[in-house]
Amino acid sequence: DAGVIQSPRHEVTEMGQEVTLRCKPISGHDYLFWYRQTMMRGLELLIYFNNNVPIDDSGMPEDRFSAKMPNASFSTLKIQPSEPRDSAVYFCASSDQDRGVGETQYFGPGTRLLVL
Amino acid sequence: GQNIDQPTEMTATEGAIVQINCTYQTSGFNGLFWYQQHAGEAPTFLSYNVLDGLEEKGRFSSFLSRSKGYSYLLLKELQMKDSASYLCAVRTYGGSQGNLIFGKGTKLSVKP
Repeated sequence: DAGVIQSPRHEVTEMGQEVTLRCKPISGHDYLFWYRQTMMRGLELLIYFNNNVPIDDSGMPEDRFSAKMPNASFSTLKIQPSEPRDSAVYFCASSDQDRGVGETQYFGPGTRLLVL
Repeated sequence: GQNIDQPTEMTATEGAIVQINCTYQTSGFNGLFWYQQHAGEAPTFLSYNVLDGLEEKGRFSSFLSRSKGYSYLLLKELQMKDSASYLCAVRTYGGSQGNLIFGKGTKLSVKP
């Protein structure tokens, strides 16, 4: 399996611009998670989906952030407008609940976002 | 609130044993995970505990005490490649599978 795929791997943009991050989960996984990692706050869950339906978006910082999962093999995280404080590494992860409660989440390589 | 505490940094010598502690206070508990994260890379799964006691997996072991809200990761026969951050994460009861709440990680440096 190719693992979780994220694109782009690096993104540099200017404040006010729209940023779209993309994720392809592992085939057959029914959970998809979006995380943000910074030195100050560590790894934080932003939102997660089960069978393409958003379950918990309480971690989404504000209305500038939105996430969609139109089908089982694709999800996007959008920031509009972007701000310098959004600079972080954004990880997508997926998991398969049917494999048991001990089943872990598999992380993608992350997108390094820098907002100038 | 949800709180997971780990030491920020640790240093150990190649070939030695190191123990990384994690204490947690969460609104629910449905398992504790340890992840390894090398610099610039994604976290990768190391271990899972849901019952009290020790889980051993090769050079790595993880211990859990639910009554004390405490876990540790034990790394034996340290190698240079073990230099990485180690993240403790607790799964709570929120949601069908539950969220993972992560500690900020412990950066381990292994010296020759």
